[in-house]
Amino acid sequence: AQRVTQPEKLLSVFKGAPVELKCNYSYSGSPELFWYVQYSRQRLQLLLRHISRESIKGFTADLNKGETSFHLKKPFAQEEDSAMYYCALSLPGITQGGSEKLVFGKGTKLTVNP
Amino acid sequence: NAGVTQTPKFQVLKTGQSMTLQCAQDMNHEYMSWYRQDPGMGLRLIHYSVGAGITDQGEVPNGYNVSRSTTEDFPLRLLSAAPSQTSVYFCASSYSGGLDTEAFFGQGTRLTVV
Repeated sequence: AQRVTQPEKLLSVFKGAPVELKCNYSYSGSPELFWYVQYSRQRLQLLLRHISRESIKGFTADLNKGETSFHLKKPFAQEEDSAMYYCALSLPGITQGGSEKLVFGKGTKLTVNP
Repeated sequence: NAGVTQTPKFQVLKTGQSMTLQCAQDMNHEYMSWYRQDPGMGLRLIHYSVGAGITDQGEVPNGYNVSRSTTEDFPLRLLSAAPSQTSVYFCASSYSGGLDTEAFFGQGTRLTVV
């Protein structure tokens, strides 16, 4: 069965420290993975998608098919990074990697302390 | 653009009552989805639609009905509310751009069934 696991419910770091939010997935096909973020009082929004291999707000995530992981990393955390982070897997649909059917992890609440 | 608009933002229902959660998007997206978010559970897919007149079930469809008569609207109906349906409900829309897509979320509806 398709599943996304985020093992850390809460993560607290100090400003300027590196941060890594873990995400592991279970999926038999070729996975399409995303990180979504929800800042306080804001909507859930896309942070980055693995297919783009992009860096957004200093965050990167590398898909490791051998370890079935898609960990989110940032070398120097900022206070404005404090938010709820969700890893998500796209299920097969009309289009490959489409966003109409997503499986979410339970989320990790990141707190960056001054 | 308003993006994805959900109404109401808050609702309290008595067990057995019915109601419809409204979702509208103005981005001409083909795909729309409903998720529920429960504490410690992340977001789970209830129903989704890939176009007007086409809907399908997600992971947790029981107790919910949907229909899609227009591209813009995707209402979620609770026919007989139960306390187990107390949750935060999110509507999302996305376009059929394949690997370049992302889900755009509404601000959520917090529903309490007493």
